[in-house]
Amino acid sequence: DAMVIQNPRYQVTQFGKPVTLSCSQTLNHNVMYWYQQKSSQAPKLLFHYYDKDFNNEADTPDNFQSRRPNTSFCFLDIRSPGLGDAAMYLCATSRDASGETQYFGPGTRLLVL
Amino acid sequence: AQKITQTQPGMFVQEKEAVTLDCTYDTSDQSYGLFWYKQPSSGEMIFLIYQGSYDEQNATEGRYSLNFQKARKSANLVISASQLGDSAMYFCAMRRWTQKLVFGQGTRLTINP
Repeated sequence: DAMVIQNPRYQVTQFGKPVTLSCSQTLNHNVMYWYQQKSSQAPKLLFHYYDKDFNNEADTPDNFQSRRPNTSFCFLDIRSPGLGDAAMYLCATSRDASGETQYFGPGTRLLVL
Repeated sequence: AQKITQTQPGMFVQEKEAVTLDCTYDTSDQSYGLFWYKQPSSGEMIFLIYQGSYDEQNATEGRYSLNFQKARKSANLVISASQLGDSAMYFCAMRRWTQKLVFGQGTRLTINP
């Protein structure tokens, strides 16, 4: 009965090689979020989708893009990963944007060689 | 701007003891939500408990309770009868109506047998 699913759980990529992380949800929530979390830090919001509306955080690098082809799926694309992009990437969902609880997936740990 | 402060970077507690994790917040808004999440070493962020700013009763969920003191802007998490499986990182977070979720820096809790 997994609610927010992230694939893969671990991803190894090479410096500069594009990588895509996947998130799916069975909750039928309107909002999907992507966070980056580096070691011993709090999660940092990269962007979110309210339905099909994309909302980018002002300090999210252009290297990070996202796609939401339908309600259930959302992808994080890193166009040219650098060593500094190695982190845990967390996907979350909420029913709507008005203060509702966010439910997180298990995360994808990205390693950049 | 909203801010969350968790003053305990780490805590060590004996199994079966109760533990209180501190959280203070700063906002000028009247309407907001407070959340606690648990993050085990596996990386998943697990939602524990929610308190709305207008809720008069302290929230409880099983062994978790939230000691909400609005005048002090405090939202401490209390875990009763701690278990070894409670060892994890704990994040306090706050969200205003349609704004993003803001996390504290976290408290690493270790339960000793």
